[in-house]
This record gives sequence, C-alpha cells and structure tokens, in this order.
Amino acid sequence: DQQVKQNSPSLSVQEGRISILNCDYTNSMFDYFLWYKKYPAEGPTFLISISSIKDKNEDGRFTVFLNKSAKHLSLHIVPSQPGDSAVYFCAADYGQNFVFGPGTRLSVLP
Amino acid sequence: DTAVSQTPKYLVTQMGNDKSIKCEQNLGHDTMYWYKQDSKKFLKIMFSYNNKELIINETVPNRFSPKSPDKAHLNLHINSLELGDSAVYFCASSQDTGNTEAFFGQGTRLTVV
Repeated sequence: DQQVKQNSPSLSVQEGRISILNCDYTNSMFDYFLWYKKYPAEGPTFLISISSIKDKNEDGRFTVFLNKSAKHLSLHIVPSQPGDSAVYFCAADYGQNFVFGPGTRLSVLP
Repeated sequence: DTAVSQTPKYLVTQMGNDKSIKCEQNLGHDTMYWYKQDSKKFLKIMFSYNNKELIINETVPNRFSPKSPDKAHLNLHINSLELGDSAVYFCASSQDTGNTEAFFGQGTRLTVV
C-alpha cells in the first residue's frame, strides 16, 4: 500500500530543457512535502520542500508545485543540467516520519 | 565536515552473526531515524528517536534493536542476521519530528551471505 507514488521510474531530458518529475499521494494527513536527490552510493540529499498551505515554492532552478485537491505534486527543474542526473525521491510527512516514493531516475542528456 | 555519518559503509557478514551500524550527527538535531532501502529501492522507515526516546517503531523484526546513548547517536544492532536483511541502511536526522527536512548519512550496504 504505497502512500506516495512516483509512477515514472525513469525520465530522460535534453540539457537545457525542463525536467518535470511527478508525485502522487493518498494520505490527506500529509502536510509537508519534500524532494530529495540521490546519487549512487550516497545518501539522499534534501532539495526543496513545500508546506501544504502553499501551492508553489521556488529555489533557483527548482520549483515544486502542490495541488492538494488532486493530491499531486511536481518538481520542475529548468534549465536541466547533466549534473542533475540522479534518482529523485518525493517524500511526504505528517509530523511523525517521512514516507518516500519509489523514486524517478532522471537522465539529463548533453 | 560530515553532518550525518554512519559506519561502516560496507558490511559483509555471515548468516546468524550479530552486527552493529553506528550513526552520529553533528547538527544538534533532536530526532534521528533509521531507514532501510530494499531491493526494490523503496526507502522505508524503521525507527525514529526524539531526544533519545523511541517514537516510531515500524514493523521490523525484534532482531533489530536501536540504541540511542545520546541525542547525537543512534546505533542499529542486528541479531541473528538473515539473508533477507541484505539492504542499504540509511541513518538520518532532523531538527524536530515534523515539517522539516531530514539529512541523511551515506548509507551502509549490508550483505548477508
């Protein structure tokens, strides 16, 4: 029973274009959402977060959008760079712990 | 200056052995976690400690026992290791229990043979 879903296991994008990673959740108790980036043989690194009281949060090339009615969030990376190639995990939190999605492997092609 | 460090990074051991994985954070955080990344790459919470007290204990075998000697440390001890315990284990910490990001260690790849 996955409470956080990332339905695309992988995504390939050309350098300079926009990368859009999607995440859906089922538990309406979640009130805080995060994106993590993970390189091979390293721990996940925090990227950006959004509270449920907002619908958008921006940090440089990264923007997270939250649609609460659809229980959907997305991470936009623009412009995409080869160094962005990694696995991206969506995570949701309601005060007790983080629930992670299965991840999406992003490949940015030069 | 590693924020969350866990040792060892790799651990290969035989079935039936007892092993420990250590975790330390120098961020002054109150909450620490252990996550397991299974063969399907899912990251699942195992334990969560806040100020040295257990606050989450997901359904893990009681062969797994966390120990928090102080706020900065959360060690994971595993008794009678089984083949199915092979996975990557991540330690993490956060300032508090909610609405804040967690910082992860680099992971410990445990292989049980």
